Amino acid sequence: EVQLVESGGGLVQPGGSLRLSCAASGFTFSSYWMSWVRQAPGKGLEWVANIKQDGSAKYYVDSVKGRFTISRDNAKNSLYLQMNSLRAEDTAVYYCARVGGAARLDYWGQGTLVTVSS
Amino acid sequence: QSALTQPASVSGSPGQSITISCTGTSSDVGGYKFVSWYQQHPGKAPKLMIYDVSNRPSGVSNRFSGSKSGNTASLSISGLQAEDEADYYCTSYTSSNTYVFGTGTKVTVL
Repeated sequence: EVQLVESGGGLVQPGGSLRLSCAASGFTFSSYWMSWVRQAPGKGLEWVANIKQDGSAKYYVDSVKGRFTISRDNAKNSLYLQMNSLRAEDTAVYYCARVGGAARLDYWGQGTLVTVSS
Repeated sequence: QSALTQPASVSGSPGQSITISCTGTSSDVGGYKFVSWYQQHPGKAPKLMIYDVSNRPSGVSNRFSGSKSGNTASLSISGLQAEDEADYYCTSYTSSNTYVFGTGTKVTVL
């Protein structure tokens, strides 16, 4: 059974940093692109970032470029999102998702809440 | 990277059919066959319902179908059921090698 479990969310002050993790199991992690998607409270879904199987290609939504870094450790079956210079508008539930094909996010975690507030 | 445009809400009675539109540009929806649809119930993670415009993952009811014409993709739900009441989002691959989601549509079963 495919499982994705996010962790690392919490309350952080504006300008602060946070690192999210996503533990994957039930599939060959190193064979798939992976994504981060977020959802602000009461708002819609927003794609955040993608990473290729070997980490050699990464793509980001414009609003997080230069502040967020997606990475992975295939030996640990883990996906990460390093978030720096956090802003109030980054407050959201962050989901990790497996990319089964272009724009096809076929498995999702339960999400982890990040709150940016003073 | 502007969000794809969806109607804010669509409603229908049990047993009826509804259609949700998703309008983008030639740089996303119109340029690729990579459009997916997701269902999200309150407090839950999204669930993939349709991928590559019109394909259903294993386990998804055949009451759900997808199509595309030009820059607009559509999700249709036939034989509407109470359990279909949820938020629905489209997403598309883009010419920048990124993804873009739609604004979301709340489906209400009357």
